[in-house]
Amino acid sequence: GENVEQHPSTLSVQEGDSAVIKCTYSDSASNYFPWYKQELGKRPQLIIDIRSNVGEKKDQRIAVTLNKTAKHFSLHITETQPEDSAVYFCAASTHSGYSTLTFGKGTMLLVSP
Amino acid sequence: NAGVTQTPKFRVLKTGQSMTLLCAQDMNHEYMYWYRQDPGMGLRLIHYSVGEGTTAKGEVPDGYNVSRLKKQNFLLGLESAAPSQTSVYFCASLLGVGTEAFFGQGTRLTVV
Repeated sequence: GENVEQHPSTLSVQEGDSAVIKCTYSDSASNYFPWYKQELGKRPQLIIDIRSNVGEKKDQRIAVTLNKTAKHFSLHITETQPEDSAVYFCAASTHSGYSTLTFGKGTMLLVSP
Repeated sequence: NAGVTQTPKFRVLKTGQSMTLLCAQDMNHEYMYWYRQDPGMGLRLIHYSVGEGTTAKGEVPDGYNVSRLKKQNFLLGLESAAPSQTSVYFCASLLGVGTEAFFGQGTRLTVV
């Protein structure tokens, strides 16, 4: 099955700095790569996603990049704010009937004022 | 429109007891997943369903059973609870492959 590795496990930055979280996946059939944000005590929520036919996608201060050849994708957050502090999960999914969504182990991002 | 609702939100079980967690969605989604979340382990898939009447095993299915008799409900059962099943359980539903997963609010289960 699919295996998703995520690094780093924790990331501390100063407000205004950029943060980068990296993930690799193992299944070359995976073609959908979402990122979820989970605030303390809350449920995970989708913040951005990218499909295999796209190399980069931006939404205001966040962007995702995908390198299919290397099987890795990254989340970039610019101008970080304290409210960005949360756990971020990357995930991978294949486009097939019995498709599952496999998550990385998460990155705890702490943005200090 | 409630989205995805899990019942109960909290539960304490004694070793060997059984219980059922209910996940209900009102978005007419085909796919439903049960995950468990443990510190440092991310979200691990227990069982999932790709439509009414279907179920399949995920990464960590041992000790759990599921049923999807109605499209809107996905039940997770623990037949004989063990301390290793202490965790936060999340249900998610999706319209289909490659679409956004909507999560329930989670169930915090403690087995003593």
